[in-house]
Formats: sequence, C-alpha cells, structure tokens
Amino acid sequence: SQQGEEDPQALSIQEGENATMNCSYKTSINNLQWYRQNSGRGLVHLILIRSNEREKHSGRLRVTLDTSKKSSSLLITASRAADTASYFCATASTYGGSQGNLIFGKGTKLSVKP
Amino acid sequence: DAGVIQSPRHEVTEMGQEVTLRCKPISGHNSLFWYRQTMMRGLELLIYFNNNVPIDDSGMPEDRFSAKMPNASFSTLKIQPSEPRDSAVYFCASIPGRGYNEQFFGPGTRLTVL
Repeated sequence: SQQGEEDPQALSIQEGENATMNCSYKTSINNLQWYRQNSGRGLVHLILIRSNEREKHSGRLRVTLDTSKKSSSLLITASRAADTASYFCATASTYGGSQGNLIFGKGTKLSVKP
Repeated sequence: DAGVIQSPRHEVTEMGQEVTLRCKPISGHNSLFWYRQTMMRGLELLIYFNNNVPIDDSGMPEDRFSAKMPNASFSTLKIQPSEPRDSAVYFCASIPGRGYNEQFFGPGTRLTVL
C-alpha cells in the first residue's frame, strides 16, 4: 500500500496566495522528500527533511515534519502561475531492508491562476 | 551534465509485441530505479539496481517484465509480450551511492499498447 498519502488531491488558488499540501505516512522513516512534476515531465526534487528535523526552508518553500503524527506539510508562499504542477511526497522508510527506496504518494495537483 | 536520459520518449505498439525501454543514469551515480506511473496506481517502484546488481525487484508486476543493467551507464526494461494494461509512463531515476538520497529522474517514456 502507498506509504505517503497527499491531501488535498487537487488545489486551485490565485496567484499570490499561499498553497499548503499535506502528506501522511505509515511507518518509521529516515527522511521525507517532496517532488514536483510538471505535466508530461519527470519528477524534480524540491526538498528533503530528515526524521530528526521539524522544519526546513528553501526559497518560497517551507516543509514541516511531525513524526509523532506521521505527517508533513509543504507550504508554497506567494504562489506564481509557474508553480502549477503536481506535488508528491516520498518517504524513505526504515521498515524493511531496501535502503534507497522511496515510496511515493499519489500527489496533489496544484493549479495557480494568474 | 545531461541528466538521466531515457529513450524512446514515446512508444506505441500493438499487444503481443516486445517493448524495450532504455535508460542512461547520471555519470557517477551507482544506483538506478525503474518506476511506472499511471493515474490509477500513481508512481510505483518496479526494480532497483545498485552497482549494476538488482537489489529489489519485488515491484516487477510479472514474468513478462525484465530489467538488466549490463554496465554502470546503461539499463533496459523489457516487456514481452506487451499488453494494453502495461500502458503507462515509465521513469528511470538514479542516485549517487546507496542510501536515502534525493533521486534524479529522467523525462520518462510514455508507452501505449494498443
């Protein structure tokens, strides 16, 4: 079963607004990563947060991680039309033996209207 | 660096035909992943190689699927015989080392089996 589940499945906002996407997972993790996918393209890594970190920033991105609730959120501030894409969380689980494997959620489709 | 290279970008074939997808990882990366993405199932890990050796192939759907990595700069994913339900986008990704690192994705191969 999917390790990461994003919420909401789709999000539509106006340019300039903030976008928040959430991710929940089931097992213990080494880290959690967020990726972006533009239509018809491959995934691009955005940010990685380790299990001992609670918050991380990168430009207009802010990621939080709550390991007690097994959840993470991605906040994009001051959104732009170019942020329109699907966003995926991926967990690097410590459960099982396959180091390096990531398990992806089904993504949040973000639409930013100009 | 050119990034992860995949070919072909699009493939249309008829049911029963053999399909071969190709991937060239980033130079110096020694772990390679094959994924399949569909609307219904999201992004699924098919197989994971480290130093050209298959480490985890538990995601390979059935015997019709096979993957090889004859050297550090080339991998193939073969489907024989292909079926309409194999229609999907197939991604290849690579990382340096073996661990919980960010993954670098190729642009994908869109496969349509008629």
